[in-house]
Amino acid sequence: QKEVEQDPGPLSVPEGAIVSLNCTYSNSAFQYFMWYRQYSRKGPELLMYTYSSGNKEDGRFTAQVDKSSKYISLFIRDSQPSDSATYLCAMKETSGSRLTFGEGTQLTVNP
Amino acid sequence: DGGITQSPKYLFRKEGQNVTLSCEQNLNHDAMYWYRQDPGQGLRLIYYSQIVNDFQKGDIAEGYSVSREKKESFPLTVTSAQKNPTAFYLCASRRQDYANQPQHFGDGTRLSIL
Repeated sequence: QKEVEQDPGPLSVPEGAIVSLNCTYSNSAFQYFMWYRQYSRKGPELLMYTYSSGNKEDGRFTAQVDKSSKYISLFIRDSQPSDSATYLCAMKETSGSRLTFGEGTQLTVNP
Repeated sequence: DGGITQSPKYLFRKEGQNVTLSCEQNLNHDAMYWYRQDPGQGLRLIYYSQIVNDFQKGDIAEGYSVSREKKESFPLTVTSAQKNPTAFYLCASRRQDYANQPQHFGDGTRLSIL
């Protein structure tokens, strides 16, 4: 079983929809959680970085962490065609240098 | 501008050939990483280095080699021992002076077999 599970999609939504992207994990030592956005033929770009359980908001993006359920989410409000990309969750233990990534979810926002 | 530069963008390898992928950063980051990305498998760690002249194997190091002679540079060599090298290769770096800083990525090199 993978340490981090992420539905690969593809996910297709109309412009303006609220998008929910999710990851579950099994390693309770994960304490730092990241969401990266990756456009086609580009490197991942850091979107959100959280530590504690709860919500963190940045513009149209909200990251949610529930450590008790080992579940993280990224919500995108008022989705735009420019949000069409692959979204990767990543996690890290407190000590150490390594990240563990989900498989990525491919999102398409249709105009 | 500060950032991570990977070159070339596209690379082709012939049978039995070693090829080297370049990764340079001007962010003054201590740690650097190499990942391989295949469809449906996410990012897998090949090698990483937390300090000059030192590096550690990741999860899929077989068939790859690295060096870290300068803080700014972390080249990856894909050797002929890597039988399935076709993939998208990503380099990342991060600060280590502050705890748990996130990794930042370059724009990748796509390697294909001729």
